[in-house]
Amino acid sequence: SQQGEEDPQALSIQEGENATMNCSYKTSINNLQWYRQNSGRGLVHLILIRSNEREKHSGRLRVTLDTSKKSSSLLITASRAADTASYFCATDRAAGNKLTFGGGTRVLVKP
Amino acid sequence: DTGVSQDPRHKITKRGQNVTFRCDPISEHNRLYWYRQTLGQGPEFLTYFQNEAQLEKSRLLSDRFSAERPKGSFSTLEIQRTEQGDSAMYLCASSLLLSIRNEQFFGPGTRLTVL
Repeated sequence: SQQGEEDPQALSIQEGENATMNCSYKTSINNLQWYRQNSGRGLVHLILIRSNEREKHSGRLRVTLDTSKKSSSLLITASRAADTASYFCATDRAAGNKLTFGGGTRVLVKP
Repeated sequence: DTGVSQDPRHKITKRGQNVTFRCDPISEHNRLYWYRQTLGQGPEFLTYFQNEAQLEKSRLLSDRFSAERPKGSFSTLEIQRTEQGDSAMYLCASSLLLSIRNEQFFGPGTRLTVL
């Protein structure tokens, strides 16, 4: 079963705009991770945020985590056509354990 | 390329046949995971290993599914008597459990089509 929901399910933006997607989860977590998946391919790890962290940055990516609301957001700044992909959040309840994924947000960046 | 490889990349089989997939993790990684992903959905956990020990199996993993990691390196996932509902992408991931972090690195997946 899925851990939670991603919102929106789909997002269409122009190149150069920012893309924001949200993830909600149901249970307490240890880590929350974001992955990108291009059509028909495997998942690429983007960023990990620990449950005691509130914000992390990596290049054009910014992730926030609000454990009181059981939610996270991923912001991609200055989007590029190459950012077109599905984005998934995934949580684990302890280090090394299985990941539980959301349903994903499909992002289309139009040139 | 994450360093995790899977073989084959695509498999088409007829209902009732057995199939086996292989995953080679990043060499120093001690944990190996199998997930299944159907179209438009997020991956769902199937099972995982620490070294050669299988630590957890999902209820999704029926008796027709078996996974092994005999020497704590590569792993195989076998599906016996395949059904059309088994059609999915099978993803393998690996991680190095050293601390409280748990980045899992995924392979390209094996896409199974059961006719």
